[in-house]
Amino acid sequence: GIQVEQSPPDLILQEGANSTLRCNFSDSVNNLQWFHQNPWGQLINLFYIPSGTKQNGRLSATTVATERYSLLYISSSQTTDSGVYFCAVEKTGGSYIPTFGRGTSLIVHP
Amino acid sequence: SAVISQKPSRDICQRGTSLTIQCQVDSQVTMMFWYRQQPGQSLTLIATANQGSEATYESGFVIDKFPISRPNLTFSTLTVSNMSPEDSSIYLCSVDLRPQFFGPGTRLTVL
Repeated sequence: GIQVEQSPPDLILQEGANSTLRCNFSDSVNNLQWFHQNPWGQLINLFYIPSGTKQNGRLSATTVATERYSLLYISSSQTTDSGVYFCAVEKTGGSYIPTFGRGTSLIVHP
Repeated sequence: SAVISQKPSRDICQRGTSLTIQCQVDSQVTMMFWYRQQPGQSLTLIATANQGSEATYESGFVIDKFPISRPNLTFSTLTVSNMSPEDSSIYLCSVDLRPQFFGPGTRLTVL
């Protein structure tokens, strides 16, 4: 199956700092999603981004499908950004079921 | 978008017992998905539930342990049977409307 690697596994920031999370995948993909899981366990879809760049407030994401990676940018981080960020991909020609990475755990200190 | 609710939100159960988790979606969907998230781990798909047919289970998951019902296009249940402490996890239901939406999860602790 397709391999999904996220880095870094853990990240600690001071409020106001910027960060970049990376998702590498081992095969061509039809779809890629970024999720945020808050400390209470709720998973929220941040971006549905098989290619290109999207922005939503302080967050933006870029997927370079030909080079098999995606980046999630968090600017001016806030304590509410804490949680785990997951990348999930659907392999081209595979099932519609997304494969999740192991996540990046982010802690933002006030 | 979709609004998904799950019941119960959390439970503490004794080993050997069973727990049924309910998932309700605010719109009709063809496929619903059940995931397990063990402590500190990523999400693992248990099965895909289609209305009117048997659920499709992923490798490592069997119907006897995780029976699923899908009586209509807005509702599904997952039962965790004959529980052991290793079943302690968050169980999440999900729908894929491109993008994918998740319920709030059921946090299960088995003693």
